[in-house]
Amino acid sequence: DGGITQSPKYLFRKEGQNVTLSCEQNLNHDAMYWYRQDPGQGLRLIYYSQIVNDFQKGDIAEGYSVSREKKESFPLTVTSAQKNPTAFYLCASSLKGQRWAGELFFGEGSRLTVL
Amino acid sequence: DQQVKQNSPSLSVQEGRISILNCDYTNSMFDYFLWYKKYPAEGPTFLISISSIKDKNEDGRFTVFLNKSAKHLSLHIVPSQPGDSAVYFCAASAFDSNYQLIWGAGTKLIIKP
Repeated sequence: DGGITQSPKYLFRKEGQNVTLSCEQNLNHDAMYWYRQDPGQGLRLIYYSQIVNDFQKGDIAEGYSVSREKKESFPLTVTSAQKNPTAFYLCASSLKGQRWAGELFFGEGSRLTVL
Repeated sequence: DQQVKQNSPSLSVQEGRISILNCDYTNSMFDYFLWYKKYPAEGPTFLISISSIKDKNEDGRFTVFLNKSAKHLSLHIVPSQPGDSAVYFCAASAFDSNYQLIWGAGTKLIIKP
């Protein structure tokens, strides 16, 4: 079945540690995105990538890093520089730029808790 | 400054009745709007969209209405079913927004039996 797989689903991290969230898609989509969701707020864009080996910052990229070495994969690293990393992270993909794709396909999310 | 606002955090509707979810926006450059539905512990799924050249788009039980002068859109679900209980997000995009969608905070819809 085609879809987006995020792992891990739940992750605990100590302060000062970097952590990497995995996102893999087998939909053959060109574009991939990382969003963050906090209680009472809409989704906020962290990073997005329209093509392999290229990515752009979203609204809240500080303290995060990404790579896009393969079309299928778009891992997100939450670094120790991120001041408030506890959140629900969602990865998504689309056929083209999200504006024209009509829809984003989302993974099930990864909940990161910093202890 | 929230450009997309869903002012009702939650809404409770009787099964079989109409559910109306509202969304307001402030950026007059927005010209494409989408609704997503999200169940707990899952990612959002696309529901329906509308371009600013239309004022209505229908897909089965779901209809989205766009009032550009009021900068307001609404999602109507008729008739409401128990499986419609979820959080609904409104999202908007502008032509010059560099592909970014701006999301509302969501409205939790509860369908009562």
